[in-house]
Amino acid sequence: AQRVTQPEKLLSVFKGAPVELKCNYSYSGSPELFWYVQYSRQRLQLLLRHISRESIKGFTADLNKGETSFHLKKPFAQEEDSAMYYCALSAYSSNTGKLIFGQGTTLQVKP
Amino acid sequence: DGGITQSPKYLFRKEGQNVTLSCEQNLNHDAMYWYRQDPGQGLRLIYYSQIVNDFQKGDIAEGYSVSREKKESFPLTVTSAQKNPTAFYLCASSASRGSPQPQHFGDGTRLSIL
Repeated sequence: AQRVTQPEKLLSVFKGAPVELKCNYSYSGSPELFWYVQYSRQRLQLLLRHISRESIKGFTADLNKGETSFHLKKPFAQEEDSAMYYCALSAYSSNTGKLIFGQGTTLQVKP
Repeated sequence: DGGITQSPKYLFRKEGQNVTLSCEQNLNHDAMYWYRQDPGQGLRLIYYSQIVNDFQKGDIAEGYSVSREKKESFPLTVTSAQKNPTAFYLCASSASRGSPQPQHFGDGTRLSIL
């Protein structure tokens, strides 16, 4: 079964501290993985996708097929990073473009 | 200004009543999706449509219905059969109905029971 797990409901760090939001997936084929972010009073938006291998707003995420993980990292958290973060998986084999979302992690960056 | 427009922002349903949530996109996207967002459960797929006049059930389709008569529109009806409709509903679209593409989301509609 295809599944995305984000084990932490809430992650609270101080400004300037490193951040790692965990994401594990279950899928036997070739996954495409995304991180979406929802800032307060804004719509859900794409943060980054693994195929792009880019850094957005200082965040990076590496797909680890051996550990079936796609953790989101940032070396120095900023207060404006406070938001809800969702990890999502799209299965190539389904050919539908459907996304499977994790439960979400609220990141709280304290001053 | 391209994007996805959901209306209304807030909607109240009486017992036994059907209500329809609107979703319109001007991104010329083939695929459209409806999700339900509940606290602690992430987003769950209700229905999706890859092309006009075609749609498929998602993971939690019971009590919901959709139509896709036009490329830009994908309305969701919450029927009286949906026993727990109170939630935040998100509509999304993506460019291609095949390969994985990023999805673009609307602002959502919050549905409550009177």
